[in-house]
Amino acid sequence: AQRVTQPEKLLSVFKGAPVELKCNYSYSGSPELFWYVQYSRQRLQLLLRHISRESIKGFTADLNKGETSFHLKKPFAQEEDSAMYYCALDTGNQFYFGTGTSLTVIP
Amino acid sequence: NAGVTQTPKFQVLKTGQSMTLQCAQDMNHEYMSWYRQDPGMGLRLIHYSVGAGITDQGEVPNGYNVSRSTTEDFPLRLLSAAPSQTSVYFCASSPWADFDQPQHFGDGTRLSIL
Repeated sequence: AQRVTQPEKLLSVFKGAPVELKCNYSYSGSPELFWYVQYSRQRLQLLLRHISRESIKGFTADLNKGETSFHLKKPFAQEEDSAMYYCALDTGNQFYFGTGTSLTVIP
Repeated sequence: NAGVTQTPKFQVLKTGQSMTLQCAQDMNHEYMSWYRQDPGMGLRLIHYSVGAGITDQGEVPNGYNVSRSTTEDFPLRLLSAAPSQTSVYFCASSPWADFDQPQHFGDGTRLSIL
């Protein structure tokens, strides 16, 4: 069963526009959720995690247990945000990744 | 401090050949894991280990073996390569003691099976 769903494979926004990358999860326990990013020719790296309630590179994500969502948001997209973004769920022993969203920011 | 190191970066195999993908980390992380990344499928967990001598299966373990004789190393073995195993493979590690620790990834190994 798919535990993490990212409905958008591709997302394009103009520079300066708001961006939201959707993530929904399925898990009966207390979820530990992360966003990972992979820039062109770079390794996959952590962007942010819900438990830290942090803002990294202007991105934030709020865990909504009622909607089982962990959407990633940024108010003003920048060209350097173009990358592949993965939502991930940690169930303790295993990480489950979504299928990823490729974000393109158009200058 | 190199983090997670994977070798080789690229490999081409013929169907039926065997090979080992190497993964090493120098952060003294207890948890290590292998993923494969396929278009439209995201990253899927193959095998993982919570410490030396302990391994377990992930989502897609068939066709792959692992061992964890030391904390630092976690090799992935393909005993008889099949074209369906053409993929990009990522190794990752994280501390085990803290539940919410993120994973640190290697650069990946791009494997093609002909």
